Parts: sequence; C-alpha cells; structure tokens
Amino acid sequence: DQQVKQNSPSLSVQEGRISILNCDYTNSMFDYFLWYKKYPAEGPTFLISISSIKDKNEDGRFTVFLNKSAKHLSLHIVPSQPGDSAVYFCAASAPGNQFYFGTGTSLTVIP
Amino acid sequence: EAGVTQFPSHSVIEKGQTVTLRCDPISGHDNLYWYRRVMGKEIKFLLHFVKESKQDESGMPNNRFLAERTGGTYSTLKVQPAELEDSGVYFCASSQGLPYTGELFFGEGSRLTVL
Repeated sequence: DQQVKQNSPSLSVQEGRISILNCDYTNSMFDYFLWYKKYPAEGPTFLISISSIKDKNEDGRFTVFLNKSAKHLSLHIVPSQPGDSAVYFCAASAPGNQFYFGTGTSLTVIP
Repeated sequence: EAGVTQFPSHSVIEKGQTVTLRCDPISGHDNLYWYRRVMGKEIKFLLHFVKESKQDESGMPNNRFLAERTGGTYSTLKVQPAELEDSGVYFCASSQGLPYTGELFFGEGSRLTVL
C-alpha cells in the first residue's frame, strides 16, 4: 500500500514558465520530506527537503511547499529550464523510520 | 570524493540463476540502504545497514534475497534463485549521521533483467 503518491506520471512545461510537481501522503506521522531528481541511467540526486515544522523551503529556483492538513506537498521550479527535464521523486519519513518514495513524475521542459 | 558505486551496472540472467550485486558507499558513511525500482513503480525500500548490522530488513521480499555488509564497508545483495519478478533497478544509497534525517546519496543503480 503506497504511502506516498505522485498522481501525475508526466508533466510538460515551456521553458521559463513555472513547473509544479505534486505529492500526496497518507501517513500523518511523516515529519520529513525530500525531493529527488533523476536523470536516465543515473541514481536519484537530492534536490530539496522540508521538515514538518515548516510550510515552505526555498533554494534558488526550487521551492517546496508543505500542507500538513491536506497531507500534500509540492515542488515549484521557476523559471523552468531544459536541464530540469528529469524524473522527480518525492519521499517522506517518520522519525527513525525508512523513507517512502513516490512513483515519480517525468518533467519535460520544452525549449 | 568518490560517490556511491555499484557493480554491475546491468546484469541479464535466466530464471533460477544467482546474481550478486555490490555496493561501495561513500567512505565514512555508516548508513547503507538498498532500494529497488520496478519499471514505472515507486522506489521501494529493501533494507538498511548501520555499519555491519542490519537495522531494518522489513522490505526484503523473501528469503531468496540475502544482503551482507562485512566489516561495515561495502555491501552485497545476492538473489538466489532469481525469479522473473526480481527484474528491476537496484539502488544502493548511503548517508552519515542519524538515519533518515538527511539526504541519501544514491549510486547509479544495478539493472537486473531475469529472463
């Protein structure tokens, strides 16, 4: 039973526009959330994280928003660049517990 | 500094054969994790070592899978005998400090194809 869900398998965005990737979770004990980015034939690489004590964390063009009441987080990329084209995974963990990953969203940024 | 390295990058075997995957974590990382991704599905947890001890192996599918981390350095994941449903990409990751409190550093993965 999946505890972290990414319901959009793919997303296409024009270069320069905003990309919004969504993630929902079911476990109210999750208190730490991460986004990973994965290029083909490579391992996932860490992008940005957020603790449940915050509702927003920003790092350059990347911002993660957390809505605990809705059990929802999103990753905003602005402006989107062609090099951002990759598969994005969200992950979540409860204290001392394993990370649960979503199925990934494939982002294509069109030049 | 070298990242997490995995070997082989791709293995094709027949059902019933044995395969051993190897992971070398980042030097000094006590935490080592194995994950698996079947095509289009989530990256699924298999197990977690702290140094040479298995901290959590709740994700291991069955007793055909055996993971070891002798000496707390590199780790191996053996599948014996392999079944068709074992096909997928096996990722190894490592981290330092308290587990599940920071980012995981992933290797490039070992793709296993069972025919």
